Amino acid sequence: AQKVTQAQTEISVVEKEDVTLDCVYETRDTTYYLFWYKQPPSGELVFLIRRNSFDEQNEISGRYSWNFQKSTSSFNFTITASQVVDSAVYFCALSEASQAGTALIFGKGTTLSVSS
Amino acid sequence: DGGITQSPKYLFRKEGQNVTLSCEQNLNHDAMYWYRQDPGQGLRLIYYSQIVNDFQKGDIAEGYSVSREKKESFPLTVTSAQKNPTAFYLCASSIGGNSNQPQHFGDGTRLSIL
Repeated sequence: AQKVTQAQTEISVVEKEDVTLDCVYETRDTTYYLFWYKQPPSGELVFLIRRNSFDEQNEISGRYSWNFQKSTSSFNFTITASQVVDSAVYFCALSEASQAGTALIFGKGTTLSVSS
Repeated sequence: DGGITQSPKYLFRKEGQNVTLSCEQNLNHDAMYWYRQDPGQGLRLIYYSQIVNDFQKGDIAEGYSVSREKKESFPLTVTSAQKNPTAFYLCASSIGGNSNQPQHFGDGTRLSIL
């Protein structure tokens, strides 16, 4: 069965610290897609990244980086030199090619608090 | 600006009352979705629609109903049969119903019981 686990419920850091948010997924599909979303206090979910199962290259976008490892079924998200504006709930999500037309499977989210 | 508009932002429901949450998008997306978010939980799918005049139940459809008469609109009705409606409701859309398409979300509607 498909499942996304974000074991860290809450993380608190001080500005400029690096922080890694963990995501572990389960799927039987060989073709699937992984996503990260950010939910600031205002409520809307903001799309951050999509990664397909055939592309294990790590990606960096500014202070954000993602580490995708199929061997451990993980898709971790690192924020370098965190800032107060990074405070939000972060969701990891999975979609499977065999389930096209259905929705994303979300983890329960990790609440990140960055203090100044 | 292109995007997804949900209204109202806050909604209160009395016992035995049906209420309707609005979701409009001007992104020309074919697929639309409704999710429910409870504190400390991820998002759970209520209903989704891949094309006009067609929609499918998600994981927690009981007590909810939808319609998709226009491409840009996907209203959600929370019926009196939904015994625990207090939650944050998010509407989303994507270009198509393919699994590789990211979904774009509205700002949400927070529903409470009076």
